[in-house]
Amino acid sequence: SQQGEEDPQALSIQEGENATMNCSYKTSINNLQWYRQNSGRGLVHLILIRSNEREKHSGRLRVTLDTSKKSSSLLITASRAADTASYFCATDASSSASKIIFGSGTRLSIRP
Amino acid sequence: DVKVTQSSRYLVKRTGEKVFLECVQDMDHENMFWYRQDPGLGLRLIYFSYDVKMKEKGDIPEGYSVSREKKERFSLILESASTNQTSMYLCASNRSPSSRYGYTFGSGTRLTVV
Repeated sequence: SQQGEEDPQALSIQEGENATMNCSYKTSINNLQWYRQNSGRGLVHLILIRSNEREKHSGRLRVTLDTSKKSSSLLITASRAADTASYFCATDASSSASKIIFGSGTRLSIRP
Repeated sequence: DVKVTQSSRYLVKRTGEKVFLECVQDMDHENMFWYRQDPGLGLRLIYFSYDVKMKEKGDIPEGYSVSREKKERFSLILESASTNQTSMYLCASNRSPSSRYGYTFGSGTRLTVV
């Protein structure tokens, strides 16, 4: 079962532009996380936002969470070629915080 | 540098073979996880473990088993490999579900069953 679903499935932008990816989920959560995966590699944790937080920043990353709409967005500002990767949101379920469920990801391509 | 290490990056096995995928973490994490990743399906949880000798089924445990005899090691076992188990397998660990550091993943094992 998939808890989070990313949108769009694929995104191609020019270097220097901002990239926005969205995640929707179905059930109440304790927290939501974003991960990056370079081709053929494992996932790298980017940021975690808790259900009582609305916005969080980390370097060029900005994450928002709207629990009323059950959605989150990841904004990457001033994109670079090295940002080319797949991005996944992952949610726990407030009834079972011990494991997280991943969406199917957004493939981001940065054009030089 | 903290690390989750998967023993093989690429593996080719024959149908019916017993396959062991090994995962070791050096962070003293309580929780360890095995996922498989397939195109269009994202990551799906196979099994996870809270502690030594503890295991719980994830969303797709059929055809798999696990072993956690030591805290740092979590093994995934394919009792009789089948072609539909061809996939990328990812191991992960964390200290707690709410840790702000999230999960630490290994680099993955791409398994091909022929």
